[in-house]
Amino acid sequence: GQQVMQIPQYQHVQEGEDFTTYCNSSTTLSNIQWYKQRPGGHPVFLIQLVKSGEVKKQKRLTFQFGEAKKNSSLHITATQTTDVGTYFCAGLGAGNNRKLIWGLGTSLAVNP
Amino acid sequence: DGGITQSPKYLFRKEGQNVTLSCEQNLNHDAMYWYRQDPGQGLRLIYYSQIVNDFQKGDIAEGYSVSREKKESFPLTVTSAQKNPTAFYLCASRGLGQQETQYFGPGTRLLVL
Repeated sequence: GQQVMQIPQYQHVQEGEDFTTYCNSSTTLSNIQWYKQRPGGHPVFLIQLVKSGEVKKQKRLTFQFGEAKKNSSLHITATQTTDVGTYFCAGLGAGNNRKLIWGLGTSLAVNP
Repeated sequence: DGGITQSPKYLFRKEGQNVTLSCEQNLNHDAMYWYRQDPGQGLRLIYYSQIVNDFQKGDIAEGYSVSREKKESFPLTVTSAQKNPTAFYLCASRGLGQQETQYFGPGTRLLVL
């Protein structure tokens, strides 16, 4: 079946370092969404990418959707302690398979 | 103040008991979802409902049941048939035409004693 692989599973950085998490789908996606879950909290929607090759920015966060619409990345520049949490990607299947497929998430820890 | 509410925040259950988790939304969303999250794991879909009086099984429906009698409400029952029910349960909803963007409630942590 359809799968979305997300790497790395964990990342530990010093405050001020950059961070990147990657998602790869086994099939072409209609869109990809990113969510953030703070420790003890619930996932919160960050952004949605729809177009092939799309790049979107939110302050220090940069999101990319691959040309083939099968992979995506989230890059955080100069991490802060407020960035701590787990970042999930979720891809929407293409065609008639309109089901959201979740990656397992990347847990980010930031040392002050 | 629009949003999704889940209650209770923490729930303790004795083995062999059924328990029902509440999920209510006032966002006028058509679709609602139940996920299970285990420590350090991703989200696994239990059940979802696209419209009132209709619902479908997700990836791990065994041992769970749902109902969708009202648009605002999508309760989840964890039955005694669920062998490993201790987990964090998340409810989400999605509005029509929002391209599957989901909005989550605060979750219920279920602990079986």
